[in-house]
Amino acid sequence: KNQVEQSPQSLIILEGKNCTLQCNYTVSPFSNLRWYKQDTGRGPVSLTIMTFSENTKSNGRYTATLDADTKQSSLHITASQLSDSASYICVVSDRGSTLGRLYFGRGTQLTVWP
Amino acid sequence: EADIYQTPRYLVIGTGKKITLECSQTMGHDKMYWYQQDPGMELHLIHYSYGVNSTEKGDLSSESTVSRIRTEHFPLTLESARPSHTSQYLCASSEEGGDYEQYFGPGTRLTVT
Repeated sequence: KNQVEQSPQSLIILEGKNCTLQCNYTVSPFSNLRWYKQDTGRGPVSLTIMTFSENTKSNGRYTATLDADTKQSSLHITASQLSDSASYICVVSDRGSTLGRLYFGRGTQLTVWP
Repeated sequence: EADIYQTPRYLVIGTGKKITLECSQTMGHDKMYWYQQDPGMELHLIHYSYGVNSTEKGDLSSESTVSRIRTEHFPLTLESARPSHTSQYLCASSEEGGDYEQYFGPGTRLTVT
């Protein structure tokens, strides 16, 4: 069964601190993995996308890593800001269908305190 | 900011009413999607479309229906709303191709009383 598991479920950090969010997946055949940021009451917005051959991708203060062998990914946020408070969703795409089905994790709810 | 719009943003409606959630995109994307998301839970695909006059059901069974008469428009309809339909509904669109990006609208928060 294709699944995406994220940890922790929620996380509270102080402004300026770093944090790392984890994602494990069992989706096969693998096409790509993306991290989305979803603010409360809004739609998800893409942060990074990585294919099988990529093991790291950065977008400003966000750095994603991918280990396709162990089927694990992480999202590292440096120097957190209050605006980073959101749900971070790991999404894995398969290439077994013409639709390119997306499998969503439940997200990590990050709260940044001043 | 993606050019995909959803209306209304919030809707509170009584049981048995018919409702239509609107979704429009100005990017010319052929593929469009409807997802349902409950608080703290993952997004579930309920409908998708490859293009005009193409609609398919997604992974999660839904009593809603969709239509795709124009490329830019993908409305979702509930003929008779029930409290179990209370959820957030997200519309998305994407281009063709392998590493396509799905662009999401802001969502409609539906509450059925």
